[in-house]
Amino acid sequence: SQQGEEDPQALSIQEGENATMNCSYKTSINNLQWYRQNSGRGLVHLILIRSNEREKHSGRLRVTLDTSKKSSSLLITASRAADTASYFCATAVSGSARQLTFGSGTQLTVLP
Amino acid sequence: NAGVTQTPKFRVLKTGQSMTLLCAQDMNHEYMYWYRQDPGMGLRLIHYSVGEGTTAKGEVPDGYNVSRLKKQNFLLGLESAAPSQTSVYFCASSSTGGMTDTQYFGPGTRLTVL
Repeated sequence: SQQGEEDPQALSIQEGENATMNCSYKTSINNLQWYRQNSGRGLVHLILIRSNEREKHSGRLRVTLDTSKKSSSLLITASRAADTASYFCATAVSGSARQLTFGSGTQLTVLP
Repeated sequence: NAGVTQTPKFRVLKTGQSMTLLCAQDMNHEYMYWYRQDPGMGLRLIHYSVGEGTTAKGEVPDGYNVSRLKKQNFLLGLESAAPSQTSVYFCASSSTGGMTDTQYFGPGTRLTVL
């Protein structure tokens, strides 16, 4: 079952613009993670936000978490062509350690 | 460090054939995972291991077997391949398997079952 669902499924923007992706999930979580996947490659961890955190920053990345709405957003500021990739949210559920449940992903295309 | 490596990168099987996918990590991680990724979907956990000699079922374990005879290796076996197993398979590892642990992924194996 898909715990997380990303929105939109695809996003195309111009270089320099900001990109926002959203993730909704169904059950209570311990933390939520975002991963990036370049075409034909494995996933790379970007950032983790715990259930008791509301916002977190890492470089050009900003993640928010609203546990009351069971949703998270990933903002990439000042996007670059190299940011073109698929972005996935993954949730870790309390009581189900060691298992991450991934969403279906957002395909981001940054046009030069 | 090579990180997480997977062998082979591509494979084509006929229905009913068997094969083994090899995952190796050089980070001395305790936990290892096998996922499959189908078009338009996220990764789904097949099996995982919390240490040498241990294995556990994930979300979609049917039709697959795994073994973790050495800490650095995690093997995924298909005993009798079916077209429904056509997918991209990813291996991952993590240090402690804790809730906030980061998983490190291999480059994937693209498997086609005819």
